[in-house]
Amino acid sequence: QVQLQESGSGLLRPSETLSLACAVSGFSVGEGFYWDWIRQPPGGGLEWIGSVYATGSTHYNPSLKSRLIMSVDRSKNQFSLKLRSVTASDTAIYYCARDDYGDLLYWGQGIPVTVSS
Amino acid sequence: DIQMTQSPSSLSASVGDRVTITCRASQGIRKDLGWYQQKPGRAPTRLVFGGSSLQNGVPSRFSGSGSGTEFTLTINNLQPEDFATYFCLYHDTYPYTFGQGTKLEIK
Repeated sequence: QVQLQESGSGLLRPSETLSLACAVSGFSVGEGFYWDWIRQPPGGGLEWIGSVYATGSTHYNPSLKSRLIMSVDRSKNQFSLKLRSVTASDTAIYYCARDDYGDLLYWGQGIPVTVSS
Repeated sequence: DIQMTQSPSSLSASVGDRVTITCRASQGIRKDLGWYQQKPGRAPTRLVFGGSSLQNGVPSRFSGSGSGTEFTLTINNLQPEDFATYFCLYHDTYPYTFGQGTKLEIK
């Protein structure tokens, strides 16, 4: 059974860097698949943030690309997101998911992130 | 980039009704489209993949169809547990794009 669990900083001030990790169990991140981050602002829709492959290659949403770094840590069996220079518009629930050629079957439960001064 | 326009944004229906939700792509796409259901406070769950293939365990009252630029999710014989928000997801090329969502409410 594949399970994903987000962790990281839940409250940030504007201009800080958001750091999130997604711990994976039941599957090795190094064995393949892309690993995605998706976010959902309060009361809003879903936004795809980006994908990182087992090898570390990435695809980012152009709207976030200049501030975003995603990576895989095989030793910890997790993948991570760093989003710098956050603003209030980055306030959202952040989900991680396993990406099987675009099919997002396994999701984490989500972690709320608030950016406020 | 492909844009996905989902309609309606909200829908009111009764138990037993049939409803249809539509996603239109800004240009023709293959069948790389999925449908997801999200209940309050929960992560989305996949209902349909490849445009029309039902995820294992999803009731047969759900069905997906479409090709080209228009895709639909149909729910027959609505059940109380179906009242939720539904999203489509285009994933043939990057960036992936979600539809804006359809909130299905009880009439």
